[in-house]
Amino acid sequence: AQSVAQPEDQVNVAEGNPLTVKCTYSVSGNPYLFWYVQYPNRGLQFLLKYITGDNLVKGSYGFEAEFNKSQTSFHLKKPSALVSDSALYFCAVRDGAYNFNKFYFGSGTKLNVKP
Amino acid sequence: EAGVVQSPRYKIIEKKQPVAFWCNPISGHNTLYWYRQNLGQGPELLIRYENEEAVDDSQLPKDRFSAERLKGVDSTLKIQPAELGDSAVYLCASSPPGLGILEQYFGPGTRLTVT
Repeated sequence: AQSVAQPEDQVNVAEGNPLTVKCTYSVSGNPYLFWYVQYPNRGLQFLLKYITGDNLVKGSYGFEAEFNKSQTSFHLKKPSALVSDSALYFCAVRDGAYNFNKFYFGSGTKLNVKP
Repeated sequence: EAGVVQSPRYKIIEKKQPVAFWCNPISGHNTLYWYRQNLGQGPELLIRYENEEAVDDSQLPKDRFSAERLKGVDSTLKIQPAELGDSAVYLCASSPPGLGILEQYFGPGTRLTVT
């Protein structure tokens, strides 16, 4: 069965420090992985995706994510956090074994960046 | 380019009453999704349309939920009658046609409160 796990409900980091938001996945075929961010009372916004190729993917607002096939992980990272990065982050996966656009989302991680 | 539009943004109804949500996807996007997002959780797919055809409605509670996408553009999601457990944010998303693995663009959602 396809699934995504975000083991941390909340991540706290000081402004200027590096941040990591964790995501692990389970799929039958090749994984197609996504990160989205959600600000209060807003819809989800796309940050980045991994389809194939380089394991380090760069996205919007200085975020990047590292795909690790052996650990079935796709952690979101940023070298230097900003207070404005505080939001809810969702990891999502689409199973490449199936030919339809069905995505599975994690439960979300709340990122708090303190000044 | 206008984003995904949803209305209303907020709705409060009493249980057993009907309610409808409307979504206008980004122009040219042929795939449309309806998700439900419960508090503290990630979005869960209710139904997916490819143009006007519902290709995945396995998670839609068909006894009380219905959806339509006439002419393959706008879509309406209806609940009749609503139950207390239906309180959630209902998100609409769309994605463009294409052969690649494409991200979704989300609307701001409709927050439903059933009392």
